[in-house]
Amino acid sequence: SQQGEEDPQALSIQEGENATMNCSYKTSINNLQWYRQNSGRGLVHLILIRSNEREKHSGRLRVTLDTSKKSSSLLITASRAADTASYFCATETGANSKLTFGKGITLSVRP
Amino acid sequence: NAGVTQTPKFQVLKTGQSMTLQCAQDMNHNSMYWYRQDPGMGLRLIYYSASEGTTDKGEVPNGYNVSRLNKREFSLRLESAAPSQTSVYFCASSDPWTGGLSADTQYFGPGTRLTVL
Repeated sequence: SQQGEEDPQALSIQEGENATMNCSYKTSINNLQWYRQNSGRGLVHLILIRSNEREKHSGRLRVTLDTSKKSSSLLITASRAADTASYFCATETGANSKLTFGKGITLSVRP
Repeated sequence: NAGVTQTPKFQVLKTGQSMTLQCAQDMNHNSMYWYRQDPGMGLRLIYYSASEGTTDKGEVPNGYNVSRLNKREFSLRLESAAPSQTSVYFCASSDPWTGGLSADTQYFGPGTRLTVL
């Protein structure tokens, strides 16, 4: 069963605009992570936020976590055509760093 | 430093055939994972190995077996392939015991695209 559910399923924006993607989950987590997947490639880790953190930044990425609402958002500022990819949220709920992935969001950034 | 490597990249099998997907990592990670990715389903965990010598079932283990050959290598075996196992298979590794910023991050291989006819 999917722990994380991303929203929207697909997002199309113009280069230079900001992209906001949301993730909701069902049970308590240790941390929440966002991954990116370019077409035909493996997943690449973007950012991790722990359950006791509310906001983190990494370059053009900003992630927030609201544990009371069991939700997270990923903001990509000043998007570029190269940001076109699928984005997945993943939650870690127990030991062994096992992750449960959502179904992903397809982001298209038009030049 | 190659990270996580997987072989083969592509494979076509007939129903009932067997094959082993190979995965190796050179990051000295303790934990390794096998996922399958199907359209519209995200990634689902098949098996994982928390450390050398241990393996455990994930969400969708039926039809698969794994071997943690040593700390570097974690193989996935399909004993009798079925069309429902047509998928893209990803191996990943992590080292949750090291602590620090990279703990709990998983590093993925490029995937094996398997078609079962």
